[in-house]
Amino acid sequence: NAGVTQTPKFRILKIGQSMTLQCAQDMNHNYMYWYRQDPGMGLKLIYYSVGAGITDKGEVPNGYNVSRSTTEDFPLRLELAAPSQTSVYFCASRLSASTDTQYFGPGTRLTVL
Amino acid sequence: EDKVVQSPLSLVVHEGDTVTLNCSYEVTNFRSLLWYKQEKKAPTFLFMLTSSGIEKKSGRLSSILDKKELSSILNITATQTGDSAIYLCAVRENYGGSQGNLIFGKGTKLSVKP
Repeated sequence: NAGVTQTPKFRILKIGQSMTLQCAQDMNHNYMYWYRQDPGMGLKLIYYSVGAGITDKGEVPNGYNVSRSTTEDFPLRLELAAPSQTSVYFCASRLSASTDTQYFGPGTRLTVL
Repeated sequence: EDKVVQSPLSLVVHEGDTVTLNCSYEVTNFRSLLWYKQEKKAPTFLFMLTSSGIEKKSGRLSSILDKKELSSILNITATQTGDSAIYLCAVRENYGGSQGNLIFGKGTKLSVKP
């Protein structure tokens, strides 16, 4: 199993550009998450999904969008990138409502200039 | 306000020292507390503590949950430079609270000097 994979590893965007961060998992997990991590601030939840076709906002959803058309994939879309979106983005997954452990992808470091 | 508070935020020790990291929480309906280790990449799972499993140990790392004090500690004995990392604490409420999502603290950055 590859676990949770993310692409790209690094990206530099200009203000106003858009991009999609890719996340995939091959563990047949129902729940998937997107977090951002700023220095000294822990992990902030952006969006999450409890299954294909179902998504919901987390703590910091503004400026982002998600979709979940399959169990495996959970892309995060940034529209009109802003410097405040400079961060490290982690995707995570967990098996079901009755399990607690989340497994994380390797992260995407995004810089918006 | 922060529901999960970790202390200290950073810590510098020398190899061989023993360290204790703290995590306190304030949630309505506690289900579990998880510890993660984050080196220069993704957080990796260390322990999960619940009402039925309040103490966990793996090698030089151990963790205890104090449900009365709403807190947990992570102990690392005989520290090594490879223990240098950010240690994250996260709490999960029972389903219906925070939608069962994890609530993370800000982390403790541990630096172990040779």
